[in-house]
Amino acid sequence: GAGVSQSPRYKVAKRGQDVALRCDPISGHVSLFWYQQALGQGPEFLTYFQNEAQLDKSGLPSDRFFAERPEGSVSTLKIQRTQQEDSAVYLCASSQSDPGLFFGEGSRLTVL
Amino acid sequence: DQQVKQNSPSLSVQEGRISILNCDYTNSMFDYFLWYKKYPAEGPTFLISISSIKDKNEDGRFTVFLNKSAKHLSLHIVPSQPGDSAVYFCAASALTGTASKLTFGTGTRLQVTL
Repeated sequence: GAGVSQSPRYKVAKRGQDVALRCDPISGHVSLFWYQQALGQGPEFLTYFQNEAQLDKSGLPSDRFFAERPEGSVSTLKIQRTQQEDSAVYLCASSQSDPGLFFGEGSRLTVL
Repeated sequence: DQQVKQNSPSLSVQEGRISILNCDYTNSMFDYFLWYKKYPAEGPTFLISISSIKDKNEDGRFTVFLNKSAKHLSLHIVPSQPGDSAVYFCAASALTGTASKLTFGTGTRLQVTL
């Protein structure tokens, strides 16, 4: 596609449920990033892939968060045993070369 | 510890006038700065950037100024248009690391009135 595509756009989960958020980057983009944006805040870095290699996961808030990009294209961010503080917009971004990110529209997660 | 700060949560400017959005940073390792614009229910879109070797970069109605000694940058929009109404995020990175690992400010909501 022409841009970064994320699904689902909206997800409501009960506390304790597992969720999976998908990101389809711009074709050919080597780098893929996940950011978390809480209400009223700026996006915060979670993790970074170069092709299928996860080079930086320093921003993942806990071991309940897991990301993968097995074939170097589509990526999935998984959150296990969701908690209310996980409620946020999760933004995926890809880039061809540093710097310069193209963001998707985000997946808004609400944990009840 | 907020390394990138946008101290004005909102700004209202009349159409045709200049909008000035400010950003301060604390990390001296930052050497590349970007401004992103965000409409509701959309992802941030890149607007303009500046490297620390410059003090000004201009692109049409948008100009970014960088004052390294003060660790301050600003975005000027002249003339402001109603379509500029959005949230503007300042972001910074260190090119010596992963350049697209950005640290964002909390954003300034700009409203351009008729």
